[in-house]
Parts: sequence; structure tokens; C-alpha cells
Amino acid sequence: DTEVTQTPKHLVMGMTNKKSLKCEQHMGHRAMYWYKQKAKKPPELMFVYSYEKLSINESVPSRFSPECPNSSLLNLHLHALQPEDSALYLCASRESVGGSLGNTIYFGEGSWLTVV
Amino acid sequence: AQSVAQPEDQVNVAEGNPLTVKCTYSVSGNPYLFWYVQYPNRGLQFLLKYITGDNLVKGSYGFEAEFNKSQTSFHLKKPSALVSDSALYFCAVRVFSGNTGKLIFGQGTTLQVKP
Repeated sequence: DTEVTQTPKHLVMGMTNKKSLKCEQHMGHRAMYWYKQKAKKPPELMFVYSYEKLSINESVPSRFSPECPNSSLLNLHLHALQPEDSALYLCASRESVGGSLGNTIYFGEGSWLTVV
Repeated sequence: AQSVAQPEDQVNVAEGNPLTVKCTYSVSGNPYLFWYVQYPNRGLQFLLKYITGDNLVKGSYGFEAEFNKSQTSFHLKKPSALVSDSALYFCAVRVFSGNTGKLIFGQGTTLQVKP
């Protein structure tokens, strides 16, 4: 089973709203990721958590706030977003086999975010 | 700089014909290469990867990829294309960043298989 579950599938929010995206995996993976993807473009890395600690922040604006409550869950808190933040937000997790760069990263189906 | 290039924005092929989606890479050290597929309005699905060993890697849905170190390429292939293979394909290489690794993606290639 290589399932990464994301909720909600679709989210429409106003620029003053606060909302959250959620991600869950039960594969025992110890690294989890948030990516942002615009239509027909490659995913752009936002954050990486390794063993529940933030290990990479790709200079993401503070209106995006990640949280990793435990090894199975990853949240992305959204506040005061802009219309250009509308995109597909992908969560991913990485298998942990000897810490190799060859470990596979598995993606969820994504959350479609529209900021109005 | 470490990078991945997919030189074709779109590949068109007739159903039943062989297909190739091209990928070249530039990394320091050993390359860890991946192919992902994205169907419309879906997330990315892992197809296959090359870590070490046999240069011909077999993956999901009948796809395979050939690693060529001298040409720094990792082309995705399938002997007989299906209309259902029509999708966006991404090649990626995993590199170290800080104390962990991250994927560097190519720009993607849209595969269109016509009946």
C-alpha cells in the first residue's frame, strides 16, 4: 500500500480566510513533503519534514505555515493568501530504507486550491 | 548546477506503436533517477526508478527506462502505446539538499496517444 491521503480535494477561500490542508500516510515513512504545482508545470518544493522536524523551507512566504503533529500527519495552514497562490498542492512521503537517495517519494492526489 | 531536461514538450504517437519520452540529466556523483506520470486532474504516480545495477529498468503499466551513463540519459519507453497512456510525464533526479534529499524535476512531456 503506497497511499498518501489528502483532504480536502477542493478548497475555495477568500483572501482573508484561514484554512488548512491535511495529509496522512500510514506507510511508516519518516519524511513528508509539500509541493505546489501550477497547470502543466513541474511541482515546486515548498517544505520537507524529516522525523517530524522541518528540514527544508524553500523560502516560502509566511502566509503558508506547515505543521507536522506526528509521523503520519502533515498540515499546511493557509492565511491571507493571494489569487496567485491558486494551484494544486501536493503532499508526498518518502520511504525510509537506509537513508538512500534512491528511496521513492510517493505523492497524494492533491488539493485544488482557489483563492478568490 | 544539477538539472534535468526533457527536450520535448509533447510527444505524439499512434496506438500500438512504440513510444519514447526523452530525459537527460546533469548531476555530480551518482544519479538517482525517477519517472512519474500525472493523469489529468490527478496527483503524480511513481512509474520506475534507477539507482544502480541493470541499465534497463522495468516499471508499472508496461513502461521501462534505459539508463545511459555516457549520454547522461534516462529515456522512458513502452513497446506498444495505449490511448490510456496519454498523460503528463515527469523525469526527476534526487539530490542532497542540506541533510536530506529533494527531487529536481524536468519540465514535463505531454504524451498524446491517438487511436
